[in-house]
Amino acid sequence: EDQVTQSPEALRLQEGESSSLNCSYTVSGLRGLFWYRQDPGKGPEFLFTLYSAGEEKEKERLKATLTKKESFLHITAPKPEDSATYLCAVKIQGAQKLVFGQGTRLTINP
Amino acid sequence: NAGVTQTPKFQVLKTGQSMTLQCAQDMNHNSMYWYRQDPGMGLRLIYYSASEGTTDKGEVPNGYNVSRLNKREFSLRLESAAPSQTSVYFCASRRTSGSTDTQYFGPGTRLTVL
Repeated sequence: EDQVTQSPEALRLQEGESSSLNCSYTVSGLRGLFWYRQDPGKGPEFLFTLYSAGEEKEKERLKATLTKKESFLHITAPKPEDSATYLCAVKIQGAQKLVFGQGTRLTINP
Repeated sequence: NAGVTQTPKFQVLKTGQSMTLQCAQDMNHNSMYWYRQDPGMGLRLIYYSASEGTTDKGEVPNGYNVSRLNKREFSLRLESAAPSQTSVYFCASRRTSGSTDTQYFGPGTRLTVL
């Protein structure tokens, strides 16, 4: 069964304290791995798509990486405005749907 | 360019009532989706429409119907609401261009069924 697991469920950091969020997946054929940011009461906001192992993408303080079994979202010197839930999803070859993980709730304290 | 819009933002229903959730996108995307988001369960696909005139079931279609009214609009109908349908509902549309394949989400409809 196709599965996506995110860890940790919740993470509290001090402003400026870098860390990484993990997304591990077990799927039959990966078409793409997606990272979204979701603020309370809002819809998921697209961040990155990664298509193949070894690929990396960056946006401001965020960098996403992909291996054959997992993806990491690295957050460098985070600010309080980076506080949100980060969702990971995978798209399987030949399927329409995205399979989502349960998310990591990130809180950055000033 | 509003992206994906959804109405209403909030709704409270009594068990057995019906309602339609509306979704529209102005990005000229062919594919559109309805997901529900429940605590601890992630987003799950209810129905999707790969193109205008087609609809297909997702993971959790029971109790729902959909209509792809035209390329822009994709509605979700609850014929007889149940408390188990209390959730946040998100509509998404999909952009495919070359090697790019990304879904963009609306702001959601928060539904409570009493």
